[in-house]
Amino acid sequence: DTGVSQDPRHKITKRGQNVTFRCDPISEHNRLYWYRQTLGQGPEFLTYFQNEAQLEKSRLLSDRFSAERPKGSFSTLEIQRTEQGDSAMYLCASSPIAGGQETQYFGPGTRLLVL
Amino acid sequence: SQQGEEDPQALSIQEGENATMNCSYKTSINNLQWYRQNSGRGLVHLILIRSNEREKHSGRLRVTLDTSKKSSSLLITASRAADTASYFCATDANDYKLSFGAGTTVTVRA
Repeated sequence: DTGVSQDPRHKITKRGQNVTFRCDPISEHNRLYWYRQTLGQGPEFLTYFQNEAQLEKSRLLSDRFSAERPKGSFSTLEIQRTEQGDSAMYLCASSPIAGGQETQYFGPGTRLLVL
Repeated sequence: SQQGEEDPQALSIQEGENATMNCSYKTSINNLQWYRQNSGRGLVHLILIRSNEREKHSGRLRVTLDTSKKSSSLLITASRAADTASYFCATDANDYKLSFGAGTTVTVRA
């Protein structure tokens, strides 16, 4: 399977714990994006990388959130001191750079439940 | 904040009928994309229409774009049970982040 993969698919944690999600993009894609989706809503942009550089972070990404993409390959999203409001689906997407206007290909998502 | 708004919020149709949903947005865009999401799953890309295009087809899908009205429509012809899903429009205004609407939930009855 050469699509975007995410791990884990589901995560249940207690409030205050730290969690880390991983995203493996399509191998030749330079751009990687993180979105968050709550129930009944569309995805909301969190951050994106071009190769290993994190180029923009949404105001939704509080200081408890950190994302990395070492070596421009896979990416991790860490949430520290989780809160119940962090419960959501976290989606990763990737795209090539080709003068822009490229399709973003999404992974299956990681569903987080904070108790 | 979400730029796109889909209408209707929900749609129920008989198998074989056509389904039409609309998307309105607020700012200038480079392109508009439509995605499908089955319950609890990731998003599947359906079609991308650029700001200088007015209509695009892909199989049973037809998308229109009216930049003067800042609106788009997605038509699914001859619907099937497998088309049951949520459909989202997403606008690309600046070449990287997508802004999604809240989606239209389509139910196709057998």
